[in-house]
Amino acid sequence: LAKTTQPISMDSYEGQEVNITCSHNNIATNDYITWYQQFPSQGPRFIIQGYKTKVTNEVASLFIPADRKSSTLSLPRVSLSDTAVYYCLVGDRTNAGKSTFGDGTTLTVKP
Amino acid sequence: EAGVTQSPTHLIKTRGQQATLRCSPISGHTSVYWYQQALGLGLQFLLWYDEGEERNRGNFPPRFSGRQFPNYSSELNVNALELEDSALYLCASSLGEQFFGPGTRLTVL
Repeated sequence: LAKTTQPISMDSYEGQEVNITCSHNNIATNDYITWYQQFPSQGPRFIIQGYKTKVTNEVASLFIPADRKSSTLSLPRVSLSDTAVYYCLVGDRTNAGKSTFGDGTTLTVKP
Repeated sequence: EAGVTQSPTHLIKTRGQQATLRCSPISGHTSVYWYQQALGLGLQFLLWYDEGEERNRGNFPPRFSGRQFPNYSSELNVNALELEDSALYLCASSLGEQFFGPGTRLTVL
């Protein structure tokens, strides 16, 4: 299983761009990288998923270098409501038993 | 389209009792995953069901068990409850990426 490492916490201010990096040195060929957002006492919410290069949707971008040993979630122009825990998940899309959640990064957005 | 639903929202039990948690996946999803999230900690994989069969389980004792019904809904059963079983239990369904329900907060007194 790919072990993932994320920063424990990050602080930012409203309107700034936030980049959260996840390290996954032993990622397998079939593994995808997925990011989730979680608010207290709620289930994680899917943000974005990718395999390589760059993926962008309406809320975030995901950058994955060629060696795929890390990935960076980019949140443009954060607001106070983006304060949450962000999890990186690396693994087989169809087998959670072969996937690994990181310990999560607590992002605090300040006014 | 309805998301993943879980019941009950909260559950309070005492040590030694049994708890049953329920999950209904998104329509069309055949895979259901269960996770345990202790307070302030990350998600720990518990069980994976697909097409009615248990496909994989995490590093949890046998008193954590479950099943998946023909309509793809699922139950998680925890027997002989211990204080450290107090946690948020999350269910996710998937056709690729996982979509999570709101969770069941289990408190063992």
